[in-house]
Amino acid sequence: GAGVSQSPSNKVTEKGKDVELRCDPISGHTALYWYRQSLGQGLEFLIYFQGNSAPDKSGLPSDRFSAERTGGSVSTLTIQRTQQEDSAVYLCASSLALVGGSSYEQYFGPGTRLTVT
Amino acid sequence: GENVEQHPSTLSVQEGDSAVIKCTYSDSASNYFPWYKQELGKRPQLIIDIRSNVGEKKDQRIAVTLNKTAKHFSLHITETQPEDSAVYFCAAALSGSARQLTFGSGTQLTVLP
Repeated sequence: GAGVSQSPSNKVTEKGKDVELRCDPISGHTALYWYRQSLGQGLEFLIYFQGNSAPDKSGLPSDRFSAERTGGSVSTLTIQRTQQEDSAVYLCASSLALVGGSSYEQYFGPGTRLTVT
Repeated sequence: GENVEQHPSTLSVQEGDSAVIKCTYSDSASNYFPWYKQELGKRPQLIIDIRSNVGEKKDQRIAVTLNKTAKHFSLHITETQPEDSAVYFCAAALSGSARQLTFGSGTQLTVLP
């Protein structure tokens, strides 16, 4: 079946503009995660959605960052008033996480490379 | 919250030699430890994971060991091949909770032919 998909694959935007990044998780996966990976760096957790529960937003670096997950499937990460330091690869992952159960493998999408000029 | 430290940040080995990457974690309640491999320009992919009810797990040339007392776990790759060259990330999580994985900073492994 199809894996996690993300769009666009690349986005170049001017400083101060808003951007929206999209993630389509694997069908049936209840958990969805957003990470940021700066050049040569590790994976920085941003936000986590699990089913209909309130999202864990503890990793969002500022109030310019927000995310939604509609209908428990597709998610959109929005960055308002982009800054140059927002330039990074934004990775989405999904998993069959079951509340109260065991953690499952996170399947990553190909990422969106964001460049803020 | 959880903090995962990983070292070395870079590692070069000759083809056929073994490679070892080590991670430590801070939250003694963590009990799920996966390892991800990320080839250049590609997405991270799970290569092996271990849960705290076991001390070691092997899958062909890859093995992971866990020492819960010391709060550290390691990835061992034997008989390394050029295609093993990639960035490897360790991670820790509390299984069964809503917490996400906390990743280490990554190790760039280069296998020299």
